[in-house]
Amino acid sequence: KQEVTQIPAALSVPEGENLVLNCSFTDSAIYNLQWFRQDPGKGLTSLLLIQSSQREQTSGRLNASLDKSSGRSTLYIAASQPGDSATYLCAAVISGSRLTFGEGTQLTVNP
Amino acid sequence: GAVVSQHPSRVICKSGTSVKIECRSLDFQATTMFWYRQFPKQSLMLMATSNEGSKATYEQGVEKDKFLINHASLTLSTLTVTSAHPEDSSFYICSASVFGGWEEKLFFGSGTQLSVL
Repeated sequence: KQEVTQIPAALSVPEGENLVLNCSFTDSAIYNLQWFRQDPGKGLTSLLLIQSSQREQTSGRLNASLDKSSGRSTLYIAASQPGDSATYLCAAVISGSRLTFGEGTQLTVNP
Repeated sequence: GAVVSQHPSRVICKSGTSVKIECRSLDFQATTMFWYRQFPKQSLMLMATSNEGSKATYEQGVEKDKFLINHASLTLSTLTVTSAHPEDSSFYICSASVFGGWEEKLFFGSGTQLSVL
C-alpha cells in the first residue's frame, strides 16, 4: 500500500525567502507525482505534475523534482510571497487517476 | 482550463438526515469521477471511484450503503450521505478526469464542508 509523507507539517518563513517542501513515498512504482495547493476550506489547485520518466518540472517560481529510486520529491518555491501561504499537498499516482495524498505542509509567508 | 463545479460549498444538517452533494464538469465530459474525504489536519482520502453508467468502486472501509454515489451522465456525479451522523462531518471533494491528448488530467471541485449536528 502506497504511503505518502510530507515534511515539515508546517512552515513559517519571511517574505522573499526560498524554501523547500519535502514529500516521500513508499512505493517507487508510481505513474506520476503531483503537487497541489489547497487554500482553507477550498478545493485543490494543481501546481505541477511530474511523470515517472521525468526528473523535474518548473512553473514560474516553482520547481518540483522527483527521485523515484529514493522515493522522494521536493517542491522548491523561490522568492516566497504572502500569497503563497496555503497548504501544499503532494500526491502519488500508481494507476489510473487514483491519488494517494500526503498530509500536507501548511506554509505561512510573513510580510 | 476545465472547471468542476461542486455544490453546496457548505451544509449544516441534523443527525439522521441525508445530504446530497453534486459534482459537475462544466465544459468537458469526465471519463471518471472521484470522491475524497478530508478530516481536519488530515490528508485527503479516496472514498470511491465512479464511471458513468456503472456502479461506483468503493475503497476499503467506506460503506457503500451510507455513501451513495450516482454517476448518471458524463458531466454529473452525486454523493449522498445517508442518515448522517456527527462523525460524518468532514470536507468532501470531488475530482473529474479527462483525457487530453496523450495524458489524463484531473480537475477538482471546490469542496463541500459538511457539519452534522
